[in-house]
Amino acid sequence: AQSVTQPDIHITVSEGASLELRCNYSYGATPYLFWYVQSPGQGLQLLLKYFSGDTLVQGIKGFEAEFKRSQSSFNLRKPSVHWSDAAEYFCAVGSTSGTYKYIFGTGTRLKVLA
Amino acid sequence: DAGVIQSPRHEVTEMGQEVTLRCKPISGHNSLFWYRQTMMRGLELLIYFNNNVPIDDSGMPEDRFSAKMPNASFSTLKIQPSEPRDSAVYFCASSHRGDRGPRRTEAFFGQGTRLTVV
Repeated sequence: AQSVTQPDIHITVSEGASLELRCNYSYGATPYLFWYVQSPGQGLQLLLKYFSGDTLVQGIKGFEAEFKRSQSSFNLRKPSVHWSDAAEYFCAVGSTSGTYKYIFGTGTRLKVLA
Repeated sequence: DAGVIQSPRHEVTEMGQEVTLRCKPISGHNSLFWYRQTMMRGLELLIYFNNNVPIDDSGMPEDRFSAKMPNASFSTLKIQPSEPRDSAVYFCASSHRGDRGPRRTEAFFGQGTRLTVV
């Protein structure tokens, strides 16, 4: 069965520092991969998505993610974090066959120190 | 488009009462998902519809939960009777799935309904 693992529940970084959030997936075929961000009291907003092609994808707010098939990973990165990036981040996989649905990881809560 | 619209945004109810959550998906989307978010279990898929038909309800926790999609622009999630452990944020999301399989598209989320059962 497909699954998504985000090994870091909480991450704290200083403003201006670089960021990498980890995501590992389990899926039998090439997955569709997504990163979402959730600010307190809000819904989930799409940051970026990977379907095929270039394994390095760019998203909104200066985020990027790299798909590595050999490692079953889709890590999210940002070179310089801003205080407004403090939020919860979710990695998700969308099935490409069968019952079409999105499965989410448990999320990583990012705290940014001024 | 106004996006996915959920109502109410907040609901406080007493244990044993019936609760109905509502969702209006984005116009033109043919897939609709109900998720529940709690601190303990994260974001759980409860049920998903394609073209108004329930495709996968394996995530519905028990018979107290039911979901309907009478038409392409409206869905409800009902809990009857409600219990304190149902307290959570419930999200509705929609996307478009092509006739020959899933299109390369993401799910669009509503703002959620925060349910508190006391």
